[in-house]
Amino acid sequence: EDQVTQSPEALRLQEGESSSLNCSYTVSGLRGLFWYRQDPGKGPEFLFTLYSAGEEKEKERLKATLTKKESFLHITAPKPEDSATYLCAVQTFGGGADGLTFGKGTHLIIQP
Amino acid sequence: NAGVTQTPKFRVLKTGQSMTLLCAQDMNHEYMYWYRQDPGMGLRLIHYSVGEGTTAKGEVPDGYNVSRLKKQNFLLGLESAAPSQTSVYFCASSYATVSEAFFGQGTRLTVV
Repeated sequence: EDQVTQSPEALRLQEGESSSLNCSYTVSGLRGLFWYRQDPGKGPEFLFTLYSAGEEKEKERLKATLTKKESFLHITAPKPEDSATYLCAVQTFGGGADGLTFGKGTHLIIQP
Repeated sequence: NAGVTQTPKFRVLKTGQSMTLLCAQDMNHEYMYWYRQDPGMGLRLIHYSVGEGTTAKGEVPDGYNVSRLKKQNFLLGLESAAPSQTSVYFCASSYATVSEAFFGQGTRLTVV
């Protein structure tokens, strides 16, 4: 069974204080790993897709990296508007079902 | 460009009642999904469709039925609602299996 574990569950940072969120996964075969951002009362919003170990992608203050067992979402000099829940999800080969398997998310709060 | 639109946004049902949630997308996507999001559980796949006229079961399909009569619409039905189906329901669509999914704004359903 595919499993996605995110840590920490919650993280509170000061504005400008850089940190990383972790997503570890156990899957039969990885087709892609996705990062989404979710604001309260809204649907998830796509950030990145990573396909193979060693791949990195960046967008503004966010950088996502991938190894064979985990992914990190690095946040550099965050601002209050980066406060949100960050979701990690995997798409795998086999298993008979398309769609994504999600982790429970990391609730990030950036204090001014 | 509206993206993915869900109807209704909120609904309260009595146990045993039935209802249909409507999802519409205007991006000509082949793939459509229904997820439910519960506190502490993350997003879980209910049913999905890989094209007009097709449907398939996801991780938690019991108590739900779906139909995809038109490419742009994906309906989720509850024939006899139960309190355990109290949740936030999200519809999503994507161009292909391993491509970014676009989510709707969610439907908050309460079964009393």
